Amino acid sequence: GDSVTQMEGPVTLSEEAFLTINCTYTATGYPSLFWYVQYPGEGLQLLLKATKADDKGSNKGFEATYRKETTSFHLEKGSVQVSDSAVYFCALTPTLNTGFQKLVFGTGTRLLVSP
Amino acid sequence: SQTIHQWPATLVQPVGSPLSLECTVEGTSNPNLYWYRQAAGRGLQLLFYSVGIGQISSEVPQNLSASRPQDRQFILSSKKLLLSDSGFYLCAWSELAGDPGYNEQFFGPGTRLTVL
Repeated sequence: GDSVTQMEGPVTLSEEAFLTINCTYTATGYPSLFWYVQYPGEGLQLLLKATKADDKGSNKGFEATYRKETTSFHLEKGSVQVSDSAVYFCALTPTLNTGFQKLVFGTGTRLLVSP
Repeated sequence: SQTIHQWPATLVQPVGSPLSLECTVEGTSNPNLYWYRQAAGRGLQLLFYSVGIGQISSEVPQNLSASRPQDRQFILSSKKLLLSDSGFYLCAWSELAGDPGYNEQFFGPGTRLTVL
C-alpha cells in the first residue's frame, strides 16, 4: 500500500542554519504531496503542497520539490529560526480519491532550533 | 470563515471508563470528517472518516467507535478505555467535492487523552 518514510529525528540546529528533512514515498500513480507542521501543543497546519511532478511548494521560507524520479519530497529552508521548532509531517493523498481524501502520513520529524 | 472545535482539550481517565470526544465544524456544509490518533513517539494514524451523516468508515480495528449525529458534528467514543488508548486525538475536515489533490484537510487543536 501507499506509505511515507521520513528521516528519524530530532533534528537539532542552530538559528540561521540550513534545514533539510528527507521524505520519500511509495504510491501508485500520481499522488499529491504535503508537508504539515505541528507546533507545540497545537494541531496540524498545512505548510505546503505539490500536486504533480516537478511542482515546487513553498511557504514561510520553506520549500519542497515533487521529484517523481526519486519518489521524494524533501523539505528545505535556507535559514531556520527558533520559532520553526516543531514537528514536521510529510504526507500523501492517493491519486484516485474522489470526494473522500485519505492522507497517509509519515511518522514526523521533530526540529529543535537553538538561539 | 470555517473553524473546527474539539473538546475537551485534555482528559485523564481511568482504565475501563467510558470516553466521549466531540468535534464540531462551523462555516461549511457536508464536510468530510476524520479522526486521527497520534500515539507517543509515533505518527498520525487515521481511525475513522465520514462522508455524511450516519456514514462512518473505520480504518483500523480497535476499542473505539465514531458517530456523526449531525452534519458538522463528529464524536469519538469508547465503552471501556484501555491503557493503549492514550494519545493525542485530532479531528479534521475537508471539502466533500472537488479535485482531491486540492482538498486540504484542516485540523482541530486536538485532545490529549491519558488513560491511567
